[in-house]
Amino acid sequence: EVQLVESGGGLVQPGGSLRLSCAASGFTFSNYWMHWVRQAPGKGLVWVSRINSDGSSTSYADSVKGRFTISRDNAKNTLYLQMNSLRAEDTAVYYCASNNGRTFDYWGQGTLVTVSS
Amino acid sequence: QSALTQPASVSGSPGQSITISCTGTSSDVGSYNLVSWYQQHPGKAPKLIVYDVSKRPSAISNRFSGSKSGNTASLTISGLQAEDEADYYCCSYAGSSPWVFGGGTKLTVL
Repeated sequence: EVQLVESGGGLVQPGGSLRLSCAASGFTFSNYWMHWVRQAPGKGLVWVSRINSDGSSTSYADSVKGRFTISRDNAKNTLYLQMNSLRAEDTAVYYCASNNGRTFDYWGQGTLVTVSS
Repeated sequence: QSALTQPASVSGSPGQSITISCTGTSSDVGSYNLVSWYQQHPGKAPKLIVYDVSKRPSAISNRFSGSKSGNTASLTISGLQAEDEADYYCCSYAGSSPWVFGGGTKLTVL
C-alpha cells in the first residue's frame, strides 16, 4: 500500500523557517518525481514545487521562489521542503504528492503550517 | 500561471447527473491531454478520480467520466449519490509552470 506521511508543520512567526518532511513507502520512491501542493484555509489547491527522481532538477512557483527549497533523500525514501522567510500568506496545509508524469496519483494527509505572530 | 476556472458550486439530486467545467488556455488545457480531476472531502487529502482527460483509476466508479474540448475540460458524475458531496478540483499540465489547478467546485447533493 502506498503511503505518504508528512510531518514538520506548526506555528511559526513571520520571517521564520520550517522544514517539512514526507516519508514514502509502498512504492519505488527513487523512480518518482515528487511535488508539494498547498491549500490555504478554505481555498483551493496550489502547486508549490517539484523535484525529479534523482534530485538533480527542481522547480518552484513564483510565490515561493528564492524562499523555499525542495530536496529528497532516496536512501531514506523521504522528501523535504525547507521554508524560509515565511509570510502570513504561506499559511496552508502542505501536501506531498507523487507524480507519474501524467498526474498526481498519490497524496499524503497533509501538514498544517501557520505563520502568525 | 493563472488558476483554471471552475464554477464555485454545483448541485443535483440523488440519481441525477451533473457536469463541472474547467476552463484554461491554449498553454495548458488546450495543449496537453494531461487533465486530471480530484475529489476532496472536508479535512481529507485530494483523491484522484480521472486522469489523462478521461481515464479512471481502477478503483474509481464508472459514474465518473471526463472529457475535453478545446481549452475546456469537463467532469460528469452520473447517478449522483450522497457520498459524492465534496469539493472537486481539475488540474492540467502547463509546460514550464508546470502544473496548474482549478479553483475548486463544491458539489452539493440535495
